[in-house]
Amino acid sequence: EDKVVQSPLSLVVHEGDTVTLNCSYEVTNFRSLLWYKQEKKAPTFLFMLTSSGIEKKSGRLSSILDKKELFSILNITATQTGDSAVYLCAVGSGTSYGKLTFGQGTILTVHP
Amino acid sequence: NAGVTQTPKFQVLKTGQSMTLQCAQDMNHNSMYWYRQDPGMGLRLIYYSASEGTTDKGEVPNGYNVSRLNKREFSLRLESAAPSQTSVYFCASSETGPGGDTQYFGPGTRLTVL
Repeated sequence: EDKVVQSPLSLVVHEGDTVTLNCSYEVTNFRSLLWYKQEKKAPTFLFMLTSSGIEKKSGRLSSILDKKELFSILNITATQTGDSAVYLCAVGSGTSYGKLTFGQGTILTVHP
Repeated sequence: NAGVTQTPKFQVLKTGQSMTLQCAQDMNHNSMYWYRQDPGMGLRLIYYSASEGTTDKGEVPNGYNVSRLNKREFSLRLESAAPSQTSVYFCASSETGPGGDTQYFGPGTRLTVL
């Protein structure tokens, strides 16, 4: 059974702090790893990673994948209150595109 | 472009009642999905449709049926609602092939079954 585990489950920081969110996985026929941000409503796409060691960046957010050790991290630097959200990790696996297994999510709260 | 839309936003049902959740997308995607989200459990796939006219079970299909009405619309039906189906339901869509893992989500339907 495919499994995706995120840590920590929740995190409280102050504006300006840097945070690292973790996602580890055990799946058959790994295809991709995705990060989503969920603020109250729909999850919104952040990154998709398929190759080990290549960092994806978007502003203050960055992510990297380690396919040997089966994990990914999402870094957020200089956090802002608008970064408060649930961050979801999902792994695409198997022979069918679109089959994703989601982790439980990390609840990030950024205080002013 | 509206993206993925869902109706209704909220619904309260009594045990045994039936209802249909509606989903539509205007991104010309072939693949569509229904998920449920429960506290501490992440998103779990209920059913998906790789293309118009096809549907397949996901991880938690029991108690649900789906209809892929056309390329744009994918509905989820609860025939006899149970309290265990209290959840937030999300519809998503994606391209087929290598783009299929990047899914775009609707705003969700919060369903309470009493």
